[in-house]
This record gives sequence, C-alpha cells and structure tokens, in this order.
Amino acid sequence: QVQLRQWGAGLLKPSETLSLTCEVYGGPFDGHYWTWIRQAPGKGLEWIGEINHSGSTNSKSSLKGRVSFSVDTSKNQFSLKLNSVTGADTAVYYCARGTAGGYGLDVWGQGTTVTVSS
Amino acid sequence: SYELTQPPSVSVSPGQTASITCSGHKLGEKYVCWYQHKPGQSPVLIIYQDTKRPSGIPDRFSGSNSGNTATLTISGTQALDEADYYCHAWDVSAAVFGGGTKLTVL
Repeated sequence: QVQLRQWGAGLLKPSETLSLTCEVYGGPFDGHYWTWIRQAPGKGLEWIGEINHSGSTNSKSSLKGRVSFSVDTSKNQFSLKLNSVTGADTAVYYCARGTAGGYGLDVWGQGTTVTVSS
Repeated sequence: SYELTQPPSVSVSPGQTASITCSGHKLGEKYVCWYQHKPGQSPVLIIYQDTKRPSGIPDRFSGSNSGNTATLTISGTQALDEADYYCHAWDVSAAVFGGGTKLTVL
C-alpha cells in the first residue's frame, strides 16, 4: 500500500522560504504526478502544482516566480519550495499522488501546518 | 484561469439523497474528481474520471458530468458522510479545485 510521509519547517517569518519534502513508500515513483496542495485557515483546497519523475512541472499561475519543485528519484522524494512567504501562505500543506487521465489524487500525505508570523 | 463553482453548503436528512454540484465552462469535456475532507484528516478521493469509485468507497457515492455541470450524489446519506466535498479538474497545464461544499446531515 502506497504511503506518503511529509515533513518540513512549521514556523516561518515573513520573507523566508518554505521548504517541504514528501517521501513515497510502497509504490513506484514513475508514472505519476507528485502534487502539492494547501488549505489556508477557513478556506478551501488550493492546488499549488506538480512534478513528475523526470522533473517536468506545472504550477498555479499566481504562484509562478515564487514556487519551485524538485524530485530525487534515488530517494523516492519530491520537494516544494515557496519563496518570500507572507501571512497569506499560512496553511496546511499536503503532498499527494496524481495520475494523468483523470485518475485523481489517490494517496495523500498527512499534512504539515505551516505558520508565517513575525 | 479556469474556475469551478460549488454551493457553499448543502443540508440533507439521514437516509435521504444529497446532490452537490460543480460548475465550470465546458466542464463535461474534462475529467472531474471528487474528494471528501473531514476536519483533522487528509482528503479522500471518492470519485475519479467523473463516475468511478476507488476501491473501498461505498456505492452510495456516485458521480456524473455533462455540459457545464458535474454532480456528486450521495444516496442514503449517513451521519458519517458529514464533511466538506471538493470537485477537482484539470485545465490546460493546471489543476483547480472547486471552493468546497459543506454537507450537513441534520
């Protein structure tokens, strides 16, 4: 059974860089889109972007320029970096496994609460 | 950018049928997925490719998608179905979630 475990710093100051990593257990790394989603307090789910095993990425247009993704296939890990964070980036961040063709995000990490505060 | 619109809330009595809509331009031409999200938990995929259920999802959950609207239907709604529900679709090189619908089982 595939599982995702994620980790990263939970408290940041404004202008710092958010960095999260997600590790894939029990399943193949290729053939999927490794996705990041967040949920701000009191808000809905927001798609941040995705990366595949070869490093091809897509991201939400409003975050382009601040967001980057990376993948380490040797460790079955993928990562998210978000620069110049503000209070608006305070959210629970999730990693998830997606598959092209409308198969959805079928495996999710446990979520990481990230708070941006001075 | 592409947008998906859901009603903020839907109420249903136990045992009755709940319908949650998701609207977007020519949505019927895209695949839609649905997720159930309960407080303190990670979201769960309950419908993919418009109508299909992952293994382990009860058959009281069903989906449809046509024209500009996708619909999640929960038949014989139970108290444990109370949650937030999100639709999800892909546009050109980007995915988007609907704003979410809070289902209340009264």
